[in-house]
Amino acid sequence: QQQVKQSPQSLIVQKGGISIINCAYENTAFDYFPWYQQFPGKGPALLIAIRPDVSEKKEGRFTISFNKSAKQFSLHIMDSQPGDSATYFCAAYKAAGNKLTFGGGTRVLVKP
Amino acid sequence: NAGVTQTPKFRILKIGQSMTLQCTQDMNHNYMYWYRQDPGMGLKLIYYSVGAGITDKGEVPNGYNVSRSTTEDFPLRLELAAPSQTSVYFCASSRDASWSGELFFGEGSRLTVL
Repeated sequence: QQQVKQSPQSLIVQKGGISIINCAYENTAFDYFPWYQQFPGKGPALLIAIRPDVSEKKEGRFTISFNKSAKQFSLHIMDSQPGDSATYFCAAYKAAGNKLTFGGGTRVLVKP
Repeated sequence: NAGVTQTPKFRILKIGQSMTLQCTQDMNHNYMYWYRQDPGMGLKLIYYSVGAGITDKGEVPNGYNVSRSTTEDFPLRLELAAPSQTSVYFCASSRDASWSGELFFGEGSRLTVL
């Protein structure tokens, strides 16, 4: 049973465009929603994260939007660059049980 | 500061063979984890440990075993390898129970079972 569903599976965007990745979760008891970025041949690394009491968080060109009532959150990559080409994972963290659940991942390709 | 180091990076096993994936971290983190990554499935937790001598099952523990004799090391043992265990394995660590979702990952170990 996948508690965090991520879409799309892959995404191609032109340089300078906006990449949008969506996630939905099924459990209301999550405490924190991190996003991880993974380059080929490397392990995932934390990119940005948001708490459920915040509707939006921005760090540079990366923005998380969070809709608690809809149980959805999304990552926007503004002015996408070829160096942003990577796989992105959303995740949901539950403090009780110290559990982190990952979405299925989105492979983003930014064309120059 | 090396972070989380995994060995080997690549390995091919025959069905029924056994092997151990090594993981060590130099950040003095109490929590360590083993995940497997399959295409389109994200990362699935195999086992985790909250400190030396303490381990617990994750989402997909069958066919694997772990031990945690020191804070630094968290090896993953595969017994009687099966094709279903073909995957990329990631070891990770985190600071403590208040880490709020930040894991530090190794670079992965790609295992193929033929």
